[in-house]
Amino acid sequence: DQQVKQNSPSLSVQEGRISILNCDYTNSMFDYFLWYKKYPAEGPTFLISISSIKDKNEDGRFTVFLNKSAKHLSLHIVPSQPGDSAVYFCAASKQTGANNLFFGTGTRLTVIP
Amino acid sequence: ETGVTQSPTHLIKTRGQQVTLRCSSQSGHNTVSWYQQALGQGPQFIFQYYREEENGRGNFPPRFSGLQFPNYSSELNVNALELDDSALYLCASSFEGTPNYGYTFGSGTRLTVV
Repeated sequence: DQQVKQNSPSLSVQEGRISILNCDYTNSMFDYFLWYKKYPAEGPTFLISISSIKDKNEDGRFTVFLNKSAKHLSLHIVPSQPGDSAVYFCAASKQTGANNLFFGTGTRLTVIP
Repeated sequence: ETGVTQSPTHLIKTRGQQVTLRCSSQSGHNTVSWYQQALGQGPQFIFQYYREEENGRGNFPPRFSGLQFPNYSSELNVNALELDDSALYLCASSFEGTPNYGYTFGSGTRLTVV
């Protein structure tokens, strides 16, 4: 049962344009959401997170938006750079009780120079 | 400050064998979590160790077991290997067990079962 879904396996964007990566979740108990970036032969690295009490969190070129009613979040990268090319994983957790992350299947972003 | 290191990086085992994967956590981190990432999938939680005790387990059978040592390093043991155990195994360390500050992941061990 996939509780966190990333329905787009891949995305190609021109350098300088906006990249939008989407993520849906089914478990209403999730209250914290994270994005990780993964390069080949490396482990995932934490990118940005958002608590369910917020609807937006921004860090430089990266912004995460959360729509709780739709159980949907998105990661915006603007402007996109070739170094952003990687696999992006959406993850969710519950701040109380269980302490593990539930990951989506990832979206491979390719930024074309 | 050292990051999370995992060994070995690659491993080939035969079905039915046993395997031990190792992880050294980041300095200052007292919690280690193990994840399995099958091809084309996201990482799936196996279990977590906090202060040498299991602190949560995902939907994995008992033949997946672990240990955490006083220096917070950890082992993942898998008995009676099956072909479906072929995956990238990721270790992640954190402080005080909560993922909300973001884990630090190692680069993983690629296990192939033939």
